[in-house]
Amino acid sequence: DQQVKQNSPSLSVQEGRISILNCDYTNSMFDYFLWYKKYPAEGPTFLISISSIKDKNEDGRFTVFLNKSAKHLSLHIVPSQPGDSAVYFCARRNNNAGNMLTFGGGTRLMVKP
Amino acid sequence: DAGVTQSPTHLIKTRGQQVTLRCSPKSGHDTVSWYQQALGQGPQFIFQYYEEEERQRGNFPDRFSGHQFPNYSSELNVNALLLGDSALYLCASSLGSSVELFFGEGSRLTVL
Repeated sequence: DQQVKQNSPSLSVQEGRISILNCDYTNSMFDYFLWYKKYPAEGPTFLISISSIKDKNEDGRFTVFLNKSAKHLSLHIVPSQPGDSAVYFCARRNNNAGNMLTFGGGTRLMVKP
Repeated sequence: DAGVTQSPTHLIKTRGQQVTLRCSPKSGHDTVSWYQQALGQGPQFIFQYYEEEERQRGNFPDRFSGHQFPNYSSELNVNALLLGDSALYLCASSLGSSVELFFGEGSRLTVL
């Protein structure tokens, strides 16, 4: 049962344009969603999070939108830069489950110069 | 400030063998979680340790066990290795139940 799904395995975007990465979930029992970025041969690094009581969180070039009725969230990167090329994972933190994360399968973003 | 460190970075084992992976958390962190990332997939939660006890466990068999030491470092042990255990094993640390987890670079295990 894939509780967190990232349906696009890859995305290619031109430098300077917007990158939109999507994530769907089935279980509404969460308190946060997080986005992590992973470069090859490195561990995932935290990017941005959103609380279940919010519908938007912004940090510099990164904005996450949460649509609870559609059980969907998205990460917007504006403007995209070549250094943003990496695999992006969304992850759900369950209510009452410590800080255990359930990850999606990831989306590989390629930003072309 | 050292981040999360894991050892070894790479190792090769054969089916049926046992392996021990090690993790030192980020300075000041007291909680360690282990994740398995198979090729092309997202990390999957194995278990979490806090105050030297297993606090949560994911859907992994008993062949996977762990330990946390008084200095908060941790070990992951896998017995009776199977080919399907080949994966990147990630350690993550945090302070209590804080939202953000800090990950190490991982230990890549290959089972032949």
